[in-house]
Amino acid sequence: DGGITQSPKYLFRKEGQNVTLSCEQNLNHDAMYWYRQDPGQGLRLIYYSQIVNDFQKGDIAEGYSVSREKKESFPLTVTSAQKNPTAFYLCASSIERAFSGANVLTFGAGSRLTVL
Amino acid sequence: RKEVEQDPGPFNVPEGATVAFNCTYSNSASQSFFWYRQDCRKEPKLLMSVYSSGNEDGRFTAQLNRASQYISLLIRDSKLSDSATYLCVVNSEGGTASKLTFGTGTRLQVTL
Repeated sequence: DGGITQSPKYLFRKEGQNVTLSCEQNLNHDAMYWYRQDPGQGLRLIYYSQIVNDFQKGDIAEGYSVSREKKESFPLTVTSAQKNPTAFYLCASSIERAFSGANVLTFGAGSRLTVL
Repeated sequence: RKEVEQDPGPFNVPEGATVAFNCTYSNSASQSFFWYRQDCRKEPKLLMSVYSSGNEDGRFTAQLNRASQYISLLIRDSKLSDSATYLCVVNSEGGTASKLTFGTGTRLQVTL
């Protein structure tokens, strides 16, 4: 079955450490996205990529980095510069490159990061 | 004013009840609207898109009111399995880039 796989599901990190969250999709979708979800807040866009080897900052990109070397993969690195990294991270993909009207997002199951 | 606002709830309703949620949006240029469902500690999943003429999918009805800038979700004959958080999502197009904006969600708890 096609879908999005995120790993790890749970991750604990010490302050000052970088961590990388994996996101792989086999839906043949062009666009991929990383969102962060915090209690009482809507999902916020960190980074997105509309095509291989290209990505754009979202609303809260500071302290994060991404790469898009393959269509299927869009890993997110949470760096030590991110001041409040504890959150639920969601990767998503969509068949269309643009945020158009028919652009429905498919989400992975999420990665829950806790900084100790 | 937030771009997308939802009543956080929780809405506690008995099984079989009809419940309605509203979601207001601030950008009059918004073009597309969606309802997603999110179970506790899980990912959001698309429930339905919202069309200008309104649309229905089984027990679920979505409507759009452009004049008052809100969308609604009506759930009839509530089931225990409907208990979840319902996220309103708005696609605002225009300017240099369009984007999706998520509401904080409305929590529904259906009880026996």
